Amino acid sequence: AQKVTQAQTEISVVEKEDVTLDCVYETRDTTYYLFWYKQPPSGELVFLIRRNSFDEQNEISGRYSWNFQKSTSSFNFTITASQVVDSAVYFCALSEARDSNYQLIWGAGTKLIIKP
Amino acid sequence: DVKVTQSSRYLVKRTGEKVFLECVQDMDHENMFWYRQDPGLGLRLIYFSYDVKMKEKGDIPEGYSVSREKKERFSLILESASTNQTSMYLCASSLSLTGSGNTIYFGEGSWLTVV
Repeated sequence: AQKVTQAQTEISVVEKEDVTLDCVYETRDTTYYLFWYKQPPSGELVFLIRRNSFDEQNEISGRYSWNFQKSTSSFNFTITASQVVDSAVYFCALSEARDSNYQLIWGAGTKLIIKP
Repeated sequence: DVKVTQSSRYLVKRTGEKVFLECVQDMDHENMFWYRQDPGLGLRLIYFSYDVKMKEKGDIPEGYSVSREKKERFSLILESASTNQTSMYLCASSLSLTGSGNTIYFGEGSWLTVV
């Protein structure tokens, strides 16, 4: 069965520290997609990145980077030099190509607190 | 940029009232979704629509209905609101259900309180 696990419920760091948010997924499909979303206190879910299962290249976007490793079924997210504005709940999600409902399977989210 | 707009950010309704939550997207996306988000329960799909006048039930459709008369607009209807429908409701859209266009973009959310 498909599943997304974000084991870290809450992480608190001081501004400028680096922080990694873990995401482990389970799927039987060979074609699937992984996503990260950010949800600030205002409530909107902001799309950050999408990765398909055939592309294991790591990605960097400014202070954000993602490490996709199929061998460990992980898609971890690192924020370098964290800032207070990074405080939010971050969700990892999985979509399987084979799922007839094409639903996103969501992790429980990791609440990230960046202290000044 | 994709823009998904929900008409109301905060609503307070009485038990038994009929409630409409409206959502509009401006990217000509085929698919639209309604989720609700509750503490400890995460995001749960209520309904989605893959075309005008087409709809599919999600995980928790009971007590809700939807309407998609135009491609850009997807409405969530609570026929008779109950207190257990107090929640945050998120509308979303995507270009496709699979392949390169399957990223789902969300609106700002509507906080509904039923008293």
